[in-house]
Amino acid sequence: KAGVTQTPRYLIKTRGQQVTLSCSPISGHRSVSWYQQTPGQGLQFLFEYFSETQRNKGNFPGRFSGRQFSNSRSEMNVSTLELGDSALYLCASSPGGRNIQYFGAGTRLSVL
Amino acid sequence: DQQVKQNSPSLSVQEGRISILNCDYTNSMFDYFLWYKKYPAEGPTFLISISSIKDKNEDGRFTVFLNKSAKHLSLHIVPSQPGDSAVYFCAASDNNAGNNRKLIWGLGTSLAVNP
Repeated sequence: KAGVTQTPRYLIKTRGQQVTLSCSPISGHRSVSWYQQTPGQGLQFLFEYFSETQRNKGNFPGRFSGRQFSNSRSEMNVSTLELGDSALYLCASSPGGRNIQYFGAGTRLSVL
Repeated sequence: DQQVKQNSPSLSVQEGRISILNCDYTNSMFDYFLWYKKYPAEGPTFLISISSIKDKNEDGRFTVFLNKSAKHLSLHIVPSQPGDSAVYFCAASDNNAGNNRKLIWGLGTSLAVNP
């Protein structure tokens, strides 16, 4: 079974731009969660999608949004980028109703 | 407010010895705990988990111990191998939170196993 795939792996943007990150979950997994990882803050939960609906949300501003498609693939969008948005963005999938999440390799976003 | 705390940012052990990674939590509603390890340039990989109805779970060289009264869990790796060198994350969840259930993560402990 293929693992969780995140694209692109690396991204460089400038302040004020917007960015879209993509995540393809493990086949059959209906839950997709997104995390932001920074050195001082660890893994911070952004949101979770399940069957195309946002099921849970972390404490991030509205500039961070996401969606999930009928094939469970998910995208995350960040608008009006700020320098502090530079981080590793991780996507994780799970069958749904389970605690164990399986992670992709992440997208490293650098905002200049 | 850090609900899951890994107070040791780093740990260094000799190959063949035991590695003990610690994790404390503050939320008494947490009832499921997981350990993940992360290599550079990769996403975290699930290692082992434990439910609050148990106090120990073992998988090969990895054992997790849970002390509910102390709100403390630990991961033991015996014997430690150089390939175990990675960042280890502790995570917890409240299974009674329904759709609000989410994993809360510690900041990680960087383990170095020296040959």
